[in-house]
Amino acid sequence: EVQLVESGGGLVKPGGSLRLSCAVSGFSFTNAWMNWVRQAPGKGLEWVGRIRSNTDGGTADYAAPVKGRFTISRDDSKNTLFLQMNSLKKEDTGMYYCTTDPFWGQGTLVTVSS
Amino acid sequence: SYELTQPPSVSVSPGQTARIPCSGEALPKKFAFWYQQKPGQAPVLVIYKDTERPSGIPERFSGSSSGTTVTLTISGVQAEDEADYYCQSADSSGSYAVFGGGTQLTVL
Repeated sequence: EVQLVESGGGLVKPGGSLRLSCAVSGFSFTNAWMNWVRQAPGKGLEWVGRIRSNTDGGTADYAAPVKGRFTISRDDSKNTLFLQMNSLKKEDTGMYYCTTDPFWGQGTLVTVSS
Repeated sequence: SYELTQPPSVSVSPGQTARIPCSGEALPKKFAFWYQQKPGQAPVLVIYKDTERPSGIPERFSGSSSGTTVTLTISGVQAEDEADYYCQSADSSGSYAVFGGGTQLTVL
């Protein structure tokens, strides 16, 4: 059974940092290009960024609103994807999903508020 | 920045056909993907690479592409199809993914 389980969300003050994790099982994580997608409350889906497989270079691309503040990384030995979020803003509030088509996790909620 | 444009809402009666368009300049060169999202749930992929249907997705879901527009078609709409639908693709460089704004499908 394929599982993607996000964790690490919570309440953080503006300017703070948070590290999200996504534990993967049931498919070949090593070969997968992994994405983070977020959804603000009551709003649509927004692509955050993607990391290629290490065999394809292991590099990451980011959406403009998070570039320079967020970093995606992966640990293939632990089948885990990470999202390091720094300098958080109120507009970063939302549900964060890890995904590699057709598989999605259930998301972890990030709330940025003072 | 690159954008994909969808209508905010579409309404159909049960048994009718729903068509949800998505337009974007790079769509002739980049594949589109369609996701269904019901309240409180994670999105589900219903169409990939413009026209392909993942296993487990009902045959009434289909996708098509013509020029700068891709279309999700749901034939014989059922009440359970009421949801938000999002198209997704990449910009012309392929480096950045983008979602359309979403279309709320209402089954009357």
